[in-house]
Amino acid sequence: GAGVSQSPRYKVAKRGQDVALRCDPISGHVSLFWYQQALGQGPEFLTYFQNEAQLDKSGLPSDRFFAERPEGSVSTLKIQRTQQEDSAVYLCASSSIRAGSYGYTFGSGTRLTVV
Amino acid sequence: DAKTTQPTSMDCAEGRAANLPCNHSTISGNEYVYWYRQIHSQGPQYIIHGLKNNETNEMASLIITEDRKSSTLILPHATLRDTAVYYCIVRPAYSGAGSYQLTFGKGTKLSVIP
Repeated sequence: GAGVSQSPRYKVAKRGQDVALRCDPISGHVSLFWYQQALGQGPEFLTYFQNEAQLDKSGLPSDRFFAERPEGSVSTLKIQRTQQEDSAVYLCASSSIRAGSYGYTFGSGTRLTVV
Repeated sequence: DAKTTQPTSMDCAEGRAANLPCNHSTISGNEYVYWYRQIHSQGPQYIIHGLKNNETNEMASLIITEDRKSSTLILPHATLRDTAVYYCIVRPAYSGAGSYQLTFGKGTKLSVIP
């Protein structure tokens, strides 16, 4: 596709449930990023992949958060035992340049609501 | 922590130029200034970036002061579709550890008024 695709667009989870959020980056993009955006705040960095390698996961808020990109294309962000504070929009972005100085293309995000 | 300071909100009349300021007084010589915007219910969208020279593209112009401590994003003829949150971000120019992260602040909510 022409852009970064994320699914589902909306997800409601009961507290304690596991969720998986999918990101389809632009074809051929080497770099992939996940960001978390709480209501009224700017996006915050979670993790970064270069191809299939997860080079930085310093922004993941707890060990309940796990991300993977096994074949260097599609990525999944998994949250185990969801808590109410996990409610946010999860954004995925990709870039064609390895950590380069060009702009990233973001998806429209997945809005996660934990009830 | 975000390394930029922006006004919380601004209004602009439709058809007029929107001038969005950003202070980045602690910017380093190897850091770019990036601008992104986020329209409601969408992901952030890249607008423009620059190092020290003024830049222009089909979306906007970026004016960076000579001392590089502040910049202004200019939307020359604002339309209702430009209503969004605008983020000013500084980011290292090198491709090293941490250079790929974008540190967003709260941005400026621009409202274009008919």
